[in-house]
Amino acid sequence: QLQLQESGPGLVKPWETLSLTCSVSGGSISSSYSYWGWIRQPPGKGLEWIGSIYHSGSTYYNPSLESRVTMSVDTSKHQFSLKLNSLTAGDTALYYCARGFYTGNYWGFDYWGQGILVTVS
Amino acid sequence: DIQMTQSPSSLSASVGDRVTITCRASQNIGADLNWYQVKPGKAPKLLIRAASSLQSGVPARFSGSGSGTDFTLTISSLPPEDFAIYYCQQSYSTPLTFGGGTKVEIK
Repeated sequence: QLQLQESGPGLVKPWETLSLTCSVSGGSISSSYSYWGWIRQPPGKGLEWIGSIYHSGSTYYNPSLESRVTMSVDTSKHQFSLKLNSLTAGDTALYYCARGFYTGNYWGFDYWGQGILVTVS
Repeated sequence: DIQMTQSPSSLSASVGDRVTITCRASQNIGADLNWYQVKPGKAPKLLIRAASSLQSGVPARFSGSGSGTDFTLTISSLPPEDFAIYYCQQSYSTPLTFGGGTKVEIK
């Protein structure tokens, strides 16, 4: 059973850079079927896709965040990561990592981490 | 961006009720529509992929239908564990977008 686990700081200061890591176990991060994604949920709001990355390093970012986002993958550690810079209070959210699978032109997400709450203050 | 609009935003239901949630896309997305269940403190759960395909391991009381711009998630008989928030998500184009969610509460 594939498992994902987010890790990183729970509190970051405005204008700093958030760094989160997702550890993948129970399956291969190098699977040809998998695109690894980050999704967030601000308090009291809905879900927002941040971006996705393939094991080769190919990335797809949400244009609304693209100027501030960098995603990377470390296949040797079975991890992928998110960096989000120039943080504001609006970036306060529950951040999820998830496995994306092709359904249609792009991806749905079939395995998710439990999420990590990040507060910008 | 494709806008996904869910209705209702919340509903009250009793155990055993049939529940229907609607999701409308701002443009034709074919069948590129997925449904999720989200509970506090738990990992979101994929219920339906490609508009109507039940995800492996998901109970058959969940069903999805629709194509183009209008989609429906139905829970045939609501058990206590299904009180949660439900989201639709389009996988037709990037940026991937989600509906605003439907909170299913106990009446």
